[in-house]
Amino acid sequence: ETGVTQTPRHLVMGMTNKKSLKCEQHLGHNAMYWYKQSAKKPLELMFVYNFKEQTENNSVPSRFSPECPNSSHLFLHLHTLQPEDSALYLCASSQDFGEAKNIQYFGAGTRLSVL
Amino acid sequence: DQQVKQNSPSLSVQEGRISILNCDYTNSMFDYFLWYKKYPAEGPTFLISISSIKDKNEDGRFTVFLNKSAKHLSLHIVPSQPGDSAVYFCAASAVSGGTSYGKLTFGQGTILTVHP
Repeated sequence: ETGVTQTPRHLVMGMTNKKSLKCEQHLGHNAMYWYKQSAKKPLELMFVYNFKEQTENNSVPSRFSPECPNSSHLFLHLHTLQPEDSALYLCASSQDFGEAKNIQYFGAGTRLSVL
Repeated sequence: DQQVKQNSPSLSVQEGRISILNCDYTNSMFDYFLWYKKYPAEGPTFLISISSIKDKNEDGRFTVFLNKSAKHLSLHIVPSQPGDSAVYFCAASAVSGGTSYGKLTFGQGTILTVHP
């Protein structure tokens, strides 16, 4: 148990569906992250929130919409996805995005399949 | 352009022997390096880290070595145990500034299998 919980663990959706991924951290951290991991590729950073403010959007298509209502919760809203968006989506948190040693703690991920 | 590379997709080692996992990087702004371990159906978990002011950091059976001139780091596991079988990712960040400031850039991962 890393203190970062992601739901759902698995999600299958059609290209016209709208769904949301949820992440919750119980570590008292101030920074939260969304990553995408496709098969045989490195983890790709998607979004960073620090103290609820988005500090990084790594050229992610607008069909992915993040929301951070408070420092403990992070959502990723999905709509009109493409089959190539099928991947493992990982949430992480760290004490502070600007800290010298940015050790991030990860959730178990949501395995997304887009049909 | 992949700034952090793990060129060995997999490594197989006998229990009790040493496992050596390698990682190369290209961005000279990187000055903090981490290793993560990932079991199936779990997220990556932090294992050990090293700052660029050091060339070695040790934590129990795990030692990370950093060669800044070669832009190379390695993770040594001694002795290896079957429970160490997992995917190992190296990651790098720039704590002193630049476009990589605060962000972790990951390698593709190396699958380690430790045979009993």
